[in-house]
Amino acid sequence: DSGVTQTPKHLITATGQRVTLRCSPRSGDLSVYWYQQSLDQGLQFLIQYYNGEERAKGNILERFSAQQFPDLHSELNLSSLELGDSALYFCASGHRPSETGELFFGEGSRLTVL
Amino acid sequence: DAKTTQPPSMDCAEGRAANLPCNHSTISGNEYVYWYRQIHSQGPQYIIHGLKNNETNEMASLIITEDRKSSTLILPHATLRDTAVYYCIVRPHGSSNTGKLIFGQGTTLQVKP
Repeated sequence: DSGVTQTPKHLITATGQRVTLRCSPRSGDLSVYWYQQSLDQGLQFLIQYYNGEERAKGNILERFSAQQFPDLHSELNLSSLELGDSALYFCASGHRPSETGELFFGEGSRLTVL
Repeated sequence: DAKTTQPPSMDCAEGRAANLPCNHSTISGNEYVYWYRQIHSQGPQYIIHGLKNNETNEMASLIITEDRKSSTLILPHATLRDTAVYYCIVRPHGSSNTGKLIFGQGTTLQVKP
């Protein structure tokens, strides 16, 4: 158990819909990272938040957005869903970005868009 | 961020040592070498990391060449549960860095009975 909690574990929805994925980081971790893993793309970095502020942005589509709340949990919002958005979405947490050390990954949310 | 090169796949016999190579010839002075693995669509799991000295923990050993341009992850006694995709990642550290991990394609290690 990494200590990172992601909900829901599985989600099936239709094209054009909007979903929200939630991540609770490990106790004490200030950074949250979101990743997308689809069959043909591998693990892609989407976005990072540190202590409530966006810190880095990767290959995140404009239809996707995220935020980190004062209690440090984070949500990834996916809108106008397309078939190609079907993927595993992982959240990871870590302490201060400048420090060495591991990132802890959750078990992921599997999104299926029909 | 420095790019890494890993073989796409490797086999290893159960009980034998698994040696997974990684090339990172453009690594910079403030970049650490990290290894993660992902077992069948589970969340990636941290294995080990190092800067320039060899490192060992309960899971594995990390050997980094003196010029830091390559490294080898060693699983001393591979078991079937070690079958996974192994990622070698170069990650910079410092106050201006984000700490994010950029994953490549990794090496799929198949441990065979």
